Amino acid sequence: ETGVTQTPRHLVMGMTNKKSLKCEQHLGHNAMYWYKQSAKKPLELMFVYSLEERVENNSVPSRFSPECPNSSHLFLHLHTLQPEDSALYLCASSQEQLAGNTIYFGEGSWLTVV
Amino acid sequence: AQKVTQAQTEISVVEKEDVTLDCVYETRDTTYYLFWYKQPPSGELVFLIRRNSFDEQNEISGRYSWNFQKSTSSFNFTITASQVVDSAVYFCALSDLARGSTLGRLYFGRGTQLTVWP
Repeated sequence: ETGVTQTPRHLVMGMTNKKSLKCEQHLGHNAMYWYKQSAKKPLELMFVYSLEERVENNSVPSRFSPECPNSSHLFLHLHTLQPEDSALYLCASSQEQLAGNTIYFGEGSWLTVV
Repeated sequence: AQKVTQAQTEISVVEKEDVTLDCVYETRDTTYYLFWYKQPPSGELVFLIRRNSFDEQNEISGRYSWNFQKSTSSFNFTITASQVVDSAVYFCALSDLARGSTLGRLYFGRGTQLTVWP
């Protein structure tokens, strides 16, 4: 069983819908991440949370809204998305204090925007 | 700027063949870390190995081996006696220490799709 679990695994949503992706890590880590993987681009870092504070936001459109209520949970709220937002969204976690920290990924949520 | 290049987009081999996946990186940092991840069709990125910039010793783990050469900025990955279950996308990644923070960031290559035929 993976240490990082994501739900749902697959999601189809219309452009006017509001949905959320959920991530939970069972590794005792204190940093969590959202990555986006689309067919035509390399893996893109979207958000980083460390100790529940957002430390990095790589110019992601506001239609993506992250939330980190505690060190074990991370959400990505989705609102009025575009078809080009269809991608695999990967959640990950790491132990911040370790240099060269290994980042562990979940299985991802496959998102299709119609 | 940090950059990871995986020049091989796709590789196909027949079972039991050896295969090497290439990874070349660029960084100005003297301290950095290199990683390999495997992504099967299910989507999860599975961690395979981490190597720091001060350790050039090659590593072997079962059928997997890694060759790290700072002189050529390469961190190549070899699978010996490949199996159908090795079919996946393999990503090489570089981690630096973001200025003012211990929080590392991962820079990924575009990945190499490996297909092993029975």
